[in-house]
Amino acid sequence: NAGVTQTPKFRVLKTGQSMTLLCAQDMNHEYMYWYRQDPGMGLRLIHYSVGEGTTAKGEVPDGYNVSRLKKQNFLLGLESAAPSQTSVYFCASSHRTETASYEQYFGPGTRLTVT
Amino acid sequence: LAKTTQPISMDSYEGQEVNITCSHNNIATNDYITWYQQFPSQGPRFIIQGYKTKVTNEVASLFIPADRKSSTLSLPRVSLSDTAVYYCLVGDRNTPLVFGKGTRLSVIA
Repeated sequence: NAGVTQTPKFRVLKTGQSMTLLCAQDMNHEYMYWYRQDPGMGLRLIHYSVGEGTTAKGEVPDGYNVSRLKKQNFLLGLESAAPSQTSVYFCASSHRTETASYEQYFGPGTRLTVT
Repeated sequence: LAKTTQPISMDSYEGQEVNITCSHNNIATNDYITWYQQFPSQGPRFIIQGYKTKVTNEVASLFIPADRKSSTLSLPRVSLSDTAVYYCLVGDRNTPLVFGKGTRLSVIA
């Protein structure tokens, strides 16, 4: 049981390049999320998904796109990278619950630098 | 979304009990209070969650007064390995959680 994994762990891009970050979870969770964390800051939600084939915008969605074609995978795409997107990206997943707020399980993060 | 306010940083000596208070004045009826811990270069980790009164697990205790406008995370006898950022979040199952800047706890030997 690997939990939440992220690929790649590190990446350097030039301005204008594109890339896709992959998140995979093996816990059969319904919900998945993408966050970014800038130095000294908290996490900010980019996009999230409440199920296969559905996605929604979070706090800072501009410049990113996502897809959830399979329940276990959640992809984050940068179509034209900008230096402002230099950050650490975290993926998380959680079960759907009927009552309480959900416990999120986080991946190890992807450190992205855009030059 | 209910906004939370917590201290930016706290220092403590090893072996002491640490209490981190979070203010959430506009918490909604269906909202739960959840605390996460984050070590450097790692993703956050769930610590504890509660709705009212007191919740205790093997890691921490969470105290919530009757009006639920604040909550206190209590870490008993902290060690150097408890140095981390602690986030207080408020929401229900339909609301994506919003992480603020958290409280940076530094434990000193």
